[in-house]
Amino acid sequence: SQTIHQWPATLVQPVGSPLSLECTVEGTSNPNLYWYRQAAGRGLQLLFYSVGIGQISSEVPQNLSASRPQDRQFILSSKKLLLSDSGFYLCAWSDVRGLNEQFFGPGTRLTVL
Amino acid sequence: RKEVEQDPGPFNVPEGATVAFNCTYSNSASQSFFWYRQDCRKEPKLLMSVYSSGNEDGRFTAQLNRASQYISLLIRDSKLSDSATYLCVVNPYNFNKFYFGSGTKLNVKP
Repeated sequence: SQTIHQWPATLVQPVGSPLSLECTVEGTSNPNLYWYRQAAGRGLQLLFYSVGIGQISSEVPQNLSASRPQDRQFILSSKKLLLSDSGFYLCAWSDVRGLNEQFFGPGTRLTVL
Repeated sequence: RKEVEQDPGPFNVPEGATVAFNCTYSNSASQSFFWYRQDCRKEPKLLMSVYSSGNEDGRFTAQLNRASQYISLLIRDSKLSDSATYLCVVNPYNFNKFYFGSGTKLNVKP
């Protein structure tokens, strides 16, 4: 069966510090991978998605970036965090060869102070 | 216009009640439809996919109306454990992106 891991679970960072969040998927190959952010009490905002290694589509221009160095690894980064980067960051995967449902990791709750 | 719209609620219902949510989508070429459940401070979890012919899973029934561009979720015999936010999700003209509604909050009271 497939599983998706994210870490860390929680993170408190000062404004201006860098960020690196990691997501890995097990039990599948060539998944589509996604990064979402959910602000408190709000809906999900798609940040990036990737259909393959090195292929990143950015949905929202901002100070975040994403990379996919391996088939089942997706990384979200920032060089300098802003207060507005606080939120719940969710990684998800989907398999276009199946019914194409998305499955989410447990998320990282980021607070920027 | 948003791709997917939902009534944010909250819907406050007693245990045992039947409750229904609707969700409208703007792109008539949308291909796939889903309902997710999200508990407070947790990740969304797939509740059910919505097929053209409808889909039933125990107390939950999902329907798709392509002509009017909405999907619905019906919950029968509500349980306290059904309290959560229900997210409507649409996968439009390509399979690489998903559009999420902002969610409908359900509170089931004893």
